[in-house]
Amino acid sequence: QQQVKQSPQSLIVQKGGISIINCAYENTAFDYFPWYQQFPGKGPALLIAIRPDVSEKKEGRFTISFNKSAKQFSLHIMDSQPGDSATYFCAASMINNAGNMLTFGGGTRLMVKP
Amino acid sequence: GAGVSQTPSNKVTEKGKYVELRCDPISGHTALYWYRQSLGQGPEFLIYFQGTGAADDSGLPNDRFFAVRPEGSVSTLKIQRTERGDSAVYLCASSLGINNEQFFGPGTRLTVL
Repeated sequence: QQQVKQSPQSLIVQKGGISIINCAYENTAFDYFPWYQQFPGKGPALLIAIRPDVSEKKEGRFTISFNKSAKQFSLHIMDSQPGDSATYFCAASMINNAGNMLTFGGGTRLMVKP
Repeated sequence: GAGVSQTPSNKVTEKGKYVELRCDPISGHTALYWYRQSLGQGPEFLIYFQGTGAADDSGLPNDRFFAVRPEGSVSTLKIQRTERGDSAVYLCASSLGINNEQFFGPGTRLTVL
């Protein structure tokens, strides 16, 4: 059972455009929703995270939108840059219980064209 | 400061062999996680340590997989009788506590021929 579904699998955006990646989860016990960025040959690195008590969180060019009733959350990258080209993973966990083991989505390969 | 390190970076082995993968977490981090990432997929949880004990090993695929963390710092993931399906990148992550950000190492790419 795939508990976190991510779309699209790949995304091509022009420089300066907005990149949008969507995720949906099934387990309502999840209470922590991070996004990770991964470059080839590297481990995932935390980009931004949100708890379900807020509907939006913004850090610089990165924004998470969270819809608890729909069990969906998304990452928006404003003013996308070629350096943002990477694979992005959404994840979910139960941070206050059960050790915070992350359940990842399948990933989105983002390419930002100059 | 030093991040999470993993050795070796690459490991090629033959089907049926035994392998050990090492993880050095960030100093002072009490929680340590192992994940497996198959090509083109997201990481999947294997096992988690809090201190020296395996707090949750529910993600280990079968009894060929085992992990230890004897002194609460370095951890070793051990795979017996390797199979071609074990080929993947094995990622280690550590965090200050279970409610803190997980920092990932670069992974060990395991190839079973």
